Amino acid sequence: EVQLVESGGDLVQPGGSLRLSCAASGFAFSSYWMNWVRQAPGKGLEWVANIKHDGSETYSVDSVKGRFTISRDNAKNSLYLQMNSLGAEDTAVYYCARDVGAHHGMDVWGQGTTVTVSS
Amino acid sequence: QFVLTQPPSVSGAPGQRVTISCTGSSSNIGAGYDVHWYQQLPGTAPKLLIYGNTNRPSGVPDRFSGSKSGTSASLAITGLQAEDEADYYCQSYDRRLSGSRVFGTGTKVTVL
Repeated sequence: EVQLVESGGDLVQPGGSLRLSCAASGFAFSSYWMNWVRQAPGKGLEWVANIKHDGSETYSVDSVKGRFTISRDNAKNSLYLQMNSLGAEDTAVYYCARDVGAHHGMDVWGQGTTVTVSS
Repeated sequence: QFVLTQPPSVSGAPGQRVTISCTGSSSNIGAGYDVHWYQQLPGTAPKLLIYGNTNRPSGVPDRFSGSKSGTSASLAITGLQAEDEADYYCQSYDRRLSGSRVFGTGTKVTVL
């Protein structure tokens, strides 16, 4: 079964750091671009970052540039999001999603992990 | 960075047809990029509903259909059912934002 399972979400103080993980199974993880997408409470979906299948290219939304780093370990079938200098605006459910290209969208999503930034 | 605009809500009675618009610009939908649609049922992760403007993944009922014209795209639900009550998001790409994916603002569909 094709599956993505996120973990690492937690309550963290403003200015703190957190590392999210996404474990992939059931498909050739190293062949796909991967994304992080977040959803603040009661709000819409926001694309956060993505990474090429071999890790050679990464892109992110302006609001997280310089604070968040996306990475992957293809040997471990895992995707990561290192989040630093967290603020209240980063409070959200974070989803990882498999990207099957510009003509096919994001076809597999994890269940999400919750990040709450609060003192 | 919401660059795709959707109506906040649409509603319809069971069996009716509803449409959701996704309005972009010459930098995204109008530049020829494909539009995809996602359905998010309450308390769950998004699910790919339509890809490549008009295509349904396996298992998606044919009452869901997509179209694209110019700088806009639309999702139509015909024969509306109670289980279609959800949030719907369009998604595309924008040539001003390197490597990025952009989502629409989202539409809540209510079945009356």
